[in-house]
Amino acid sequence: GDSVTQMEGPVTLSEEAFLTINCTYTATGYPSLFWYVQYPGEGLQLLLKATKADDKGSNKGFEATYRKETTSFHLEKGSVQVSDSAVYFCALRDLGNAGNMLTFGGGTRLMVKP
Amino acid sequence: NAGVTQTPKFQVLKTGQSMTLQCAQDMNHEYMSWYRQDPGMGLRLIHYSVGAGITDQGEVPNGYNVSRSTTEDFPLRLLSAAPSQTSVYFCASSSGQVFTFGSGTRLTVV
Repeated sequence: GDSVTQMEGPVTLSEEAFLTINCTYTATGYPSLFWYVQYPGEGLQLLLKATKADDKGSNKGFEATYRKETTSFHLEKGSVQVSDSAVYFCALRDLGNAGNMLTFGGGTRLMVKP
Repeated sequence: NAGVTQTPKFQVLKTGQSMTLQCAQDMNHEYMSWYRQDPGMGLRLIHYSVGAGITDQGEVPNGYNVSRSTTEDFPLRLLSAAPSQTSVYFCASSSGQVFTFGSGTRLTVV
């Protein structure tokens, strides 16, 4: 079945540091890939997505490129801020599924210190 | 512009009690689903629905029931609560690549 693996946290960085959160996936078809963010006490918000190989999703300074050859979708940001502190989830949507659902990774908590 | 509304936000149950978590969406989405979120395990799919009158099991369905009598509503029922069901529950509705999540229900079973 489908699965998503992302690096365990927490990840602790100083403000303005470079961020990478690794995400790899296993899927039988050609999935769409997503990054969701969960701020403390809130639900999940879509951060960015990519629907086919070599697509780059970007939003709020975050980027991720859909790499089919390495089955990866790593999240990057050049300069993190304290306000980026949150839990980040990598997820995939496999078009082969009967229902329209997402498969999530375990989440990575990011803590940014001033 | 409500999106997906979940109630209640917090709930404490005693072992063996039953309850229903409510989920309603106003976007006319066909697909709805329930996830539970546990530390280090991400979100896991409990049940899902592809339309009114149609439901199916996800990854972790045991101890939960769902029904979908209307497009808008997708309640999740805990039949006999157990401490292992202590979790944060999220309802989602979707259409194509667009997924909208509710704000969650934090459930504690003591």
